[in-house]
Amino acid sequence: DAEITQSPRHKITETGRQVTLACHQTWNHNNMFWYRQDLGHGLRLIHYSYGVQDTNKGEVSDGYSVSRSNTEDLPLTLESAASSQTSVYFCASSDGPGFIEAFFGQGTRLTVV
Amino acid sequence: AQKITQTQPGMFVQEKEAVTLDCTYDTSDQSYGLFWYKQPSSGEMIFLIYQGSYDEQNATEGRYSLNFQKARKSANLVISASQLGDSAMYFCAMRDQSGSARQLTFGSGTQLTVLP
Repeated sequence: DAEITQSPRHKITETGRQVTLACHQTWNHNNMFWYRQDLGHGLRLIHYSYGVQDTNKGEVSDGYSVSRSNTEDLPLTLESAASSQTSVYFCASSDGPGFIEAFFGQGTRLTVV
Repeated sequence: AQKITQTQPGMFVQEKEAVTLDCTYDTSDQSYGLFWYKQPSSGEMIFLIYQGSYDEQNATEGRYSLNFQKARKSANLVISASQLGDSAMYFCAMRDQSGSARQLTFGSGTQLTVLP
């Protein structure tokens, strides 16, 4: 079955370190998204991509970057982790501009100490 | 810019009763979609129901229905005959469908607790 997977599921890192969260989907979807979830804020968009070599900034993109070298993967990099980036991160994918359902990964809980 | 407001941080409902979760939205787009997602304590995001802005009928999916009032810009989720397994966080979201944007904008969520 097609799926979207995130790794790792849990990570603890130190302030200032570079961290990369992986997202891999086998739906062959063009659209991929990264969100962060914080209490009281719901899910906020960090970065998104509509296809290979396409990346765009979302609402809360400062301190994060993404790259899209193939259809299946959209890794999220925290250039220099900060305590404010402690959060739960969700990757999602969807098919085309007229999609109804976006499929979400299981989430990655990141703690920056 | 789009904005979703969920004014109920927490709700309680008795098992087998119906419950309404509120959602209001703000957008200047004419064509948009409204979504509800469920997030149980295990953390995954589960798609529940979708309503398009031009849909004349309210969307229904099993025990879930979306009470869409376009003039009031509200898209409330109604869960009928609540079950203990309905205890979860519920998110309302929307997406512009008139342009090329494909990302979802989420509200802050409502934590629903179903009491036995």
